[in-house]
Amino acid sequence: EVQLLESGGGLLQPGGSLRLSCAASGFTFTKYAMTWVRQAPGKGLDWVSTISSSGATTHSADSVKGRFTVSRDNSKNTLYLQMNSLRAEDTAVYYCAKNWAGGYLGPYAFWGQGTLVTVSS
Amino acid sequence: DIQMTQSPSSLSASVGDRVTMTCQANQDIKKYLNWYQQKPGKAPKLLIYDASKLETGVPSRFSGGGSGTDFTLTISSLEPEDIATYYCQQYDNVPPTFGGGTKVGIK
Repeated sequence: EVQLLESGGGLLQPGGSLRLSCAASGFTFTKYAMTWVRQAPGKGLDWVSTISSSGATTHSADSVKGRFTVSRDNSKNTLYLQMNSLRAEDTAVYYCAKNWAGGYLGPYAFWGQGTLVTVSS
Repeated sequence: DIQMTQSPSSLSASVGDRVTMTCQANQDIKKYLNWYQQKPGKAPKLLIYDASKLETGVPSRFSGGGSGTDFTLTISSLEPEDIATYYCQQYDNVPPTFGGGTKVGIK
């Protein structure tokens, strides 16, 4: 059974840093690109970052470029999102998603349950 | 960035009704369009990929159509468990972008 378990969310002040983790199980992690998508309270879905299966290629939204870094440790079956210089508008539930086989930009075949990040003073 | 526009933003229908919602891209995205279902408090779930292909395990009452810039998601006979918000997403270009969603309710 495919499982994605996000962790690391919390409440922090503007300008702070946080690292999200997504522990994957139930599939061969090294074969799939992975993606972070966020959803602000009461709003729609917003793509954040994607990383290739090997980790060699990444893309991120302009809104987070230079502040967020996506990475993965294939030996630990874990996806990460390092978030720096956080702003109030980064407040959202952050989902990790397993891309479809062979897909890089999508579709997202399976999603974790999400972790809430709240940025507030 | 490619903009995705969904309509209507919300709808109410009766159980058993045929429901259709649309998604329009502001440029040609060929067939690279996905549909996701998100129930309240839950993570999104992939329903349709490549505009018209049904994801494994998704009920056959769901169908997708279209290509280029205009796409549809149809529920042939609405069930109570279909109450959710439906999002389209293009993945033809970086950044992949989502529509604003269509919220489906029961009359």
